[in-house]
Amino acid sequence: KQEVTQIPAALSVPEGENLVLNCSFTDSAIYNLQWFRQDPGKGLTSLLLIQSSQREQTSGRLNASLDKSSGRSTLYIAASQPGDSATYLCAVPIYSGAGSYQLTFGKGTKLSVIP
Amino acid sequence: DAGVTQSPTHLIKTRGQHVTLRCSPISGHKSVSWYQQVLGQGPQFIFQYYEKEERGRGNFPDRFSARQFPNYSSELNVNALLLGDSALYLCASSLGQEAFFGQGTRLTVV
Repeated sequence: KQEVTQIPAALSVPEGENLVLNCSFTDSAIYNLQWFRQDPGKGLTSLLLIQSSQREQTSGRLNASLDKSSGRSTLYIAASQPGDSATYLCAVPIYSGAGSYQLTFGKGTKLSVIP
Repeated sequence: DAGVTQSPTHLIKTRGQHVTLRCSPISGHKSVSWYQQVLGQGPQFIFQYYEKEERGRGNFPDRFSARQFPNYSSELNVNALLLGDSALYLCASSLGQEAFFGQGTRLTVV
């Protein structure tokens, strides 16, 4: 059974700091990994999808890396801003027979960027 | 382009009642999935539908059911509501490997 863990559960940093969020998974046989952002009480916004064949994926100030062999992914946020304050979740898909597909999520890291 | 839309945004129900939540996927997306997210936890998979057929079901009781319509929109139904069903219900649609989520429906059972 795939389990996804995100540590720390919460992180507070001063504005302008670079930071790294961690995601680990128990089954390394993954097809991809997706990072999401969630604002309080809102839905999930897809940030980055990194394929199993990729080591890195970048979007603006965000950079996601993936190391399948060690079961780890990191989300790097450069020059953090107060608007980056949110909960960040990672998820890996489980594909079963007959086209079944479901995401397994971590509990998220709640990021606070202090002005 | 419109993203995934869910209705209603908020809902308050009494224990024992029934509720129907609705989801419209991104145009062209044939797969719709439902997730339940309780406070402080990651979303938990409930159902996946593809081309109007159930393709996957999570570890939820039979009080939970869903269906997908010919236009690929979907409904999630929950019968005999319990206090523990209070949560944010999220709908996701996908065409390839990337999932896109709606803003969710906040269900409160009192």
